[in-house]
Amino acid sequence: EAQVTQNPRYLITVTGKKLTVTCSQNMNHEYMSWYRQDPGLGLRQIYYSMNVEVTDKGDVPEGYKVSRKEKRNFPLILESPSPNQTSLYFCASSLSPEWGLGTQYFGPGTRLLVL
Amino acid sequence: GQQVMQIPQYQHVQEGEDFTTYCNSSTTLSNIQWYKQRPGGHPVFLIQLVKSGEVKKQKRLTFQFGEAKKNSSLHITATQTTDVGTYFCAGPNAGNNRKLIWGLGTSLAVNP
Repeated sequence: EAQVTQNPRYLITVTGKKLTVTCSQNMNHEYMSWYRQDPGLGLRQIYYSMNVEVTDKGDVPEGYKVSRKEKRNFPLILESPSPNQTSLYFCASSLSPEWGLGTQYFGPGTRLLVL
Repeated sequence: GQQVMQIPQYQHVQEGEDFTTYCNSSTTLSNIQWYKQRPGGHPVFLIQLVKSGEVKKQKRLTFQFGEAKKNSSLHITATQTTDVGTYFCAGPNAGNNRKLIWGLGTSLAVNP
């Protein structure tokens, strides 16, 4: 079954404690992306990756890091989480044809609370 | 900067009534995508429109892409409780087509 998986699904942590949210897709997609979703602000892109070792900033990259060492995995790293990073996080993947982006497949989401 | 606006922000209907959400872009879009997010769920792709004036139907859902490719609409005929959720539109960033610009979504509530 084609899918995007994220772990953990729920996480409560404290300010400053480094954490990683994993994301994996089994569709051989080149493009992967991280979004955060906050009430009233919709989906905002954090980082995206066009392929292995190719990453770029989205609209709200501050406080986040990513890596793309393998095509299927795209972890999101919060080196020193702060309360304003409390949010619902989605990973997404898609094919990346020449004309732009294809269907975005979203993971189930990770709900993060930073105390 | 480039913006995608969606209206209305919220809509509450009685089951059986029709529903329409509108998506307006500040720039011409090469294509537009629509997604649905159920409460507590993740966005799920519905459709992509590419051609000027394109109309596509999925059962009770009708999607339109404007002639100028700057606006789009999603119309649901005879809503059902299963239609509840937030509907998002998204279009490519004019300066970087590998980034999507998302509308803030229209949240639909359906009274049984």
